Amino acid sequence: SQQGEEDPQALSIQEGENATMNCSYKTSINNLQWYRQNSGRGLVHLILIRSNEREKHSGRLRVTLDTSKKSSSLLITASRAADTASYFCATVPSGYSTLTFGKGTMLLVSP
Amino acid sequence: GAVVSQHPSWVICKSGTSVKIECRSLDFQATTMFWYRQFPKQSLMLMATSNEGSKATYEQGVEKDKFLINHASLTLSTLTVTSAHPEDSSFYICSARDPGLEETQYFGPGTRLLVL
Repeated sequence: SQQGEEDPQALSIQEGENATMNCSYKTSINNLQWYRQNSGRGLVHLILIRSNEREKHSGRLRVTLDTSKKSSSLLITASRAADTASYFCATVPSGYSTLTFGKGTMLLVSP
Repeated sequence: GAVVSQHPSWVICKSGTSVKIECRSLDFQATTMFWYRQFPKQSLMLMATSNEGSKATYEQGVEKDKFLINHASLTLSTLTVTSAHPEDSSFYICSARDPGLEETQYFGPGTRLLVL
């Protein structure tokens, strides 16, 4: 069953603006991962944050994890038109090794 | 990062035929591969976990006789959709886990199946 739930479902911004997407989950986890998918393509791994970490950075990406609230956020700073894609969070529940994906956020960055 | 390929990238077939999709890890050996299914504008649903040299583990609700999985080598897993019907039309994506980086899965580009 799907565990991660992202919001918003869709987000439209202008180039240069920041984009924030949120993910909530229901059970305890080993780690949480964010993926990007361009239309009709496979997934690209963006970043992984472990359950004992609170924040992680990678380039223009910043991910936070609040295990007490069972939530995570992905911030993309200074967005570009090329960032237009769907973004999914995926969790690895404690005791499991498989990924459970959320429903995703569709991000549209207009030039 | 590691590369996973899928073949074919798209396929159109008649109802009742079987379709085989290949998933290959190109620069690493994957003891575990995963098969997902994605409907338009929806998330990925895990169908099964493919283990090299042993039987696949199917998720609840996925018919193992309908979706045959074979993981004959450390770099190749195949998914065969048997007697395909229009409702099997979907986007099928595989991923492979790098044994050296247990937490990371690398995804293939996906295969779009259209059953007429």
